[in-house]
Amino acid sequence: DGGITQSPKYLFRKEGQNVTLSCEQNLNHDAMYWYRQDPGQGLRLIYYSQIVNDFQKGDIAEGYSVSREKKESFPLTVTSAQKNPTAFYLCASSIIVGTEAFFGQGTRLTVV
Amino acid sequence: GENVEQHPSTLSVQEGDSAVIKCTYSDSASNYFPWYKQELGKRPQLIIDIRSNVGEKKDQRIAVTLNKTAKHFSLHITETQPEDSAVYFCAASNIDLRDKVIFGPGTSLSVIP
Repeated sequence: DGGITQSPKYLFRKEGQNVTLSCEQNLNHDAMYWYRQDPGQGLRLIYYSQIVNDFQKGDIAEGYSVSREKKESFPLTVTSAQKNPTAFYLCASSIIVGTEAFFGQGTRLTVV
Repeated sequence: GENVEQHPSTLSVQEGDSAVIKCTYSDSASNYFPWYKQELGKRPQLIIDIRSNVGEKKDQRIAVTLNKTAKHFSLHITETQPEDSAVYFCAASNIDLRDKVIFGPGTSLSVIP
């Protein structure tokens, strides 16, 4: 079912704690992405990676960090510096940057 | 950088009627225009896409048209059904330059039985 897996589906954290969202793909895609989805605001790009050991900031990177040590994995850390972290986070991958994106099922993060 | 606008933000149609969603883009270098459908609680999925060397593309009840001169493209859904109810996102990118895909803000389509 798409070959891209996000875990967990729901995540709760206390304010001030860092939290890491997992994203794994077995599609052999070079490019991976993290999007944040808020009601009425569409899909906003947080970070993306064109290839292993490379990543670049998207439009709303502040308060987030990523790593791309393996082709299959692109974890996102939501740090305590992110002012409003409660949101729905979507990971995606594509053969190369700019082509059809395959999305994971998303992680809904709630910070209390 | 690229900016994609999308209208309307919400759209309600009677079952069987047609629905049209319009998008404009700012970067004339963009050459790939996908459309994604996101049903409630599910992941976005590609439903149709078009390259800049084509003016129109159809797939059963859905079609996309592209006007490069005016820098706008549209999604047309004919004979709408309740299962077409979803949020639809348009997007634009330059595949040759491996540019990131920029999404529009989305259109929430409701098909009333």
